[in-house]
Amino acid sequence: KNEVEQSPQNLTAQEGEFITINCSYSVGISALHWLQQHPGGGIVSLFMLSSGKKKHGRLIATINIQEKHSSLHITASHPRDSAVYICAVSGGSNYKLTFGKGTLLTVNP
Amino acid sequence: EAGVTQFPSHSVIEKGQTVTLRCDPISGHDNLYWYRRVMGKEIKFLLHFVKESKQDESGMPNNRFLAERTGGTYSTLKVQPAELEDSGVYFCASSRENYGYTFGSGTRLTVV
Repeated sequence: KNEVEQSPQNLTAQEGEFITINCSYSVGISALHWLQQHPGGGIVSLFMLSSGKKKHGRLIATINIQEKHSSLHITASHPRDSAVYICAVSGGSNYKLTFGKGTLLTVNP
Repeated sequence: EAGVTQFPSHSVIEKGQTVTLRCDPISGHDNLYWYRRVMGKEIKFLLHFVKESKQDESGMPNNRFLAERTGGTYSTLKVQPAELEDSGVYFCASSRENYGYTFGSGTRLTVV
């Protein structure tokens, strides 16, 4: 069992829909990261959080430390949001990341 | 500020050959990481530099992989000799302490 589990693995939505991607982890962490990778593109860091909630534009990330669970929400989804969304956690003093397998999001117009 | 730069972006080599990947981190970022994604799997940690020192190389697959970070600036990852299972996308990332990561665009390595 992977230390970081994401669900769903694949998600197809219609433009305008509210999207939720979930991440559960089984290890102690110092921070949780949400990353985005467009097809053929590099990895972009969306959020780094250790508690509570962060918002950037139409993206919202929440984390529940007690339940070891995080969610990434996208409001008013758009085809340009189509990408792989990756959850990763860091723990300890060297900040190396342990990754989930990613969620492939496709938003249709 | 300039981002993390990796090159080449793609490399196709034959089994048994040598390949060297390069990563130029953001200036001033002491932490430099190498990660790898092989087909169908999650991205995995390879190693971590703090300045020029290897802080953690627990993810390096075997002794065919050699990473260096000259003077605490750019880093190279050499695979010698390459095997088929080394194919994948190699990502470099840098950070300043725990302020979050900046990733490079990756090098797609194909060993045939």
